[in-house]
Amino acid sequence: DTAVSQTPKYLVTQMGNDKSIKCEQNLGHDTMYWYKQDSKKFLKIMFSYNNKELIINETVPNRFSPKSPDKAHLNLHINSLELGDSAVYFCASSSRDRGGDTEAFFGQGTRLTVV
Amino acid sequence: AQSVTQLDSQVPVFEEAPVELRCNYSSSVSVYLFWYVQYPNQGLQLLLKYLSGSTLVESINGFEAEFNKSQTSFHLRKPSVHISDTAEYFCAVSDRGGGADGLTFGKGTHLIIQP
Repeated sequence: DTAVSQTPKYLVTQMGNDKSIKCEQNLGHDTMYWYKQDSKKFLKIMFSYNNKELIINETVPNRFSPKSPDKAHLNLHINSLELGDSAVYFCASSSRDRGGDTEAFFGQGTRLTVV
Repeated sequence: AQSVTQLDSQVPVFEEAPVELRCNYSSSVSVYLFWYVQYPNQGLQLLLKYLSGSTLVESINGFEAEFNKSQTSFHLRKPSVHISDTAEYFCAVSDRGGGADGLTFGKGTHLIIQP
């Protein structure tokens, strides 16, 4: 069984379009994340969400918005896509203790190409 | 806030030779430490982690890492590498402040195994 699954795996779209990436986890975790991996492989957190609190990385444009219908899902909506949005987007969920994240489980990634 | 430095962007090693991938971190609070591996066109997989206890942690495929608090390091080592170890390796930290801030990653080290 896949722990964290995201769809689609590949997404090619034109500038200006609106698109969504879906993510589901079956691990029972309360906290989910979206990360962006750029062309140089650098990973940076975009959002974290734990059904109580949404934490937004202040550098993320407001064209990006997470939507969580329930604690097993955290979808990513992107409006007015730009060329610079091309990247691999990873969804993750985390097990936690009182201190913080004890392990993050990642999806296989969605390679977004904006043309 | 925390940061992670992986000084080597690329490490070429001959097959069956030992390897060390360096990781240093900076944080104002206690952290958990992780190494993740990313094989080509795949997601991230946890290799090993330090949460507490013994400062030497091992993975099932022969890697080990040692937490050194005084040097704020968590270097990854393997005594004898194989072709299949070719991948991108990421060091990461999560702070133990209780918040859902996710993982902070280093820029990654590309391990290249030469026959």
